[in-house]
Amino acid sequence: DTGVSQNPRHKITKRGQNVTFRCDPISEHNRLYWYRQTLGQGPEFLTYFQNEAQLEKSRLLSDRFSAERPKGSFSTLEIQRTEQGDSAMYLCASSLVSTGTSSGANVLTFGAGSRLTVL
Amino acid sequence: AQKITQTQPGMFVQEKEAVTLDCTYDTSDQSYGLFWYKQPSSGEMIFLIYQGSYDEQNATEGRYSLNFQKARKSANLVISASQLGDSAMYFCAMREPDTGFQKLVFGTGTRLLVSP
Repeated sequence: DTGVSQNPRHKITKRGQNVTFRCDPISEHNRLYWYRQTLGQGPEFLTYFQNEAQLEKSRLLSDRFSAERPKGSFSTLEIQRTEQGDSAMYLCASSLVSTGTSSGANVLTFGAGSRLTVL
Repeated sequence: AQKITQTQPGMFVQEKEAVTLDCTYDTSDQSYGLFWYKQPSSGEMIFLIYQGSYDEQNATEGRYSLNFQKARKSANLVISASQLGDSAMYFCAMREPDTGFQKLVFGTGTRLLVSP
């Protein structure tokens, strides 16, 4: 098990371009999360998948953002028409939750993140 | 809405000494969870310790312990016997209650520097 993998680690793009980030969670994990972290701040929740279903989206996720998890395994986060305000670290995390168990201490395993710089 | 406050932007400690990182939270809910994560310069968030609001004992994990004072709404992280590898950003987070999933609200973090 190699943990949560994110690619690319760094992306520099010009304003108006589209970018896509990929997250490969821990293989047996059924839940996958995207968080965004701007400079000097803690991560902020963006969205969450249970298997392939996207069950929650933050209001931070504007219509330029789309996330998918097509087969319940890897996930992609696409940002269309990037803006300078999109510059941030995009963190992916995964967890395993079994039916009937409390979400209590369910721990997220994070990847190392994908850093986006929009010029 | 839930809120996490970390008032120490930076902390310094000498190797082998103990250090306390402060965290206060604001919630009107009775059931909630509190987490501490470590973020080294490599970027990944590493889980350290968890405290549930109904847990009667303070959580401990090796050199990490959580000083949970429910009435004061504080959840301070204590690191004993600091090591050079403890130098990193530390984030306190709260799980939004009754969501059934890990929607975490994070504080702004404290940068810890451990000196030899």
